[in-house]
Amino acid sequence: AQSVTQLGSHVSVSEGALVLLRCNYSSSVPPYLFWYVQYPNQGLQLLLKYTSAATLVKGINGFEAEFKKSETSFHLTKPSAHMSDAAEYFCAVSDSSSGGSYIPTFGRGTSLIVHP
Amino acid sequence: GAGVSQSPRYKVAKRGQDVALRCDPISGHVSLFWYQQALGQGPEFLTYFQNEAQLDKSGLPSDRFFAERPEGSVSTLKIQRTQQEDSAVYLCASRPYSEVSEAFFGQGTRLTVV
Repeated sequence: AQSVTQLGSHVSVSEGALVLLRCNYSSSVPPYLFWYVQYPNQGLQLLLKYTSAATLVKGINGFEAEFKKSETSFHLTKPSAHMSDAAEYFCAVSDSSSGGSYIPTFGRGTSLIVHP
Repeated sequence: GAGVSQSPRYKVAKRGQDVALRCDPISGHVSLFWYQQALGQGPEFLTYFQNEAQLDKSGLPSDRFFAERPEGSVSTLKIQRTQQEDSAVYLCASRPYSEVSEAFFGQGTRLTVV
């Protein structure tokens, strides 16, 4: 069965500082990996995805993530935080283990707090 | 519409009341998912449709929860005899046929059971 662990329920950074949100996955078969962002009272919006092509994936709003199979990780980074980046971030994994349905499984989320 | 649409956005139900939540997926999307998101938590899988077929309902927490997608487009999640623990945001997502694509989410329905 697939699963996702997001270390740190809250991450606090200063505006302009590096953002690092951690995600580790468990999957018995090659996975697809996703990062979503959720603003208050909104649905989830895709930031980026890994689908077995390049291991370094670039997404919207300056975010990127690197797939590391040996570490089963897919950490999300951004070189310089903006106030508008404050939101909830979710890592998700899908694979063929769910009867071939590729049902996304989500982590518990990390709340990013950006200080002026 | 261009995105996934869910209605109502907010629903307050008295304990024991039945509720129905609607999801209009993106036109042409084959896959449809329902998730439950408790406050401060990640989305938890409820059920999955491929066209009109409900292929996975392993996440439905009890037999009070029922979902359908009779014509392979609009879906309804029904909760019978609501309980306080059912209070959550219910998210619907749709996806094109390819599993490589991401799921596109609606804004959710916030259900409060009083």
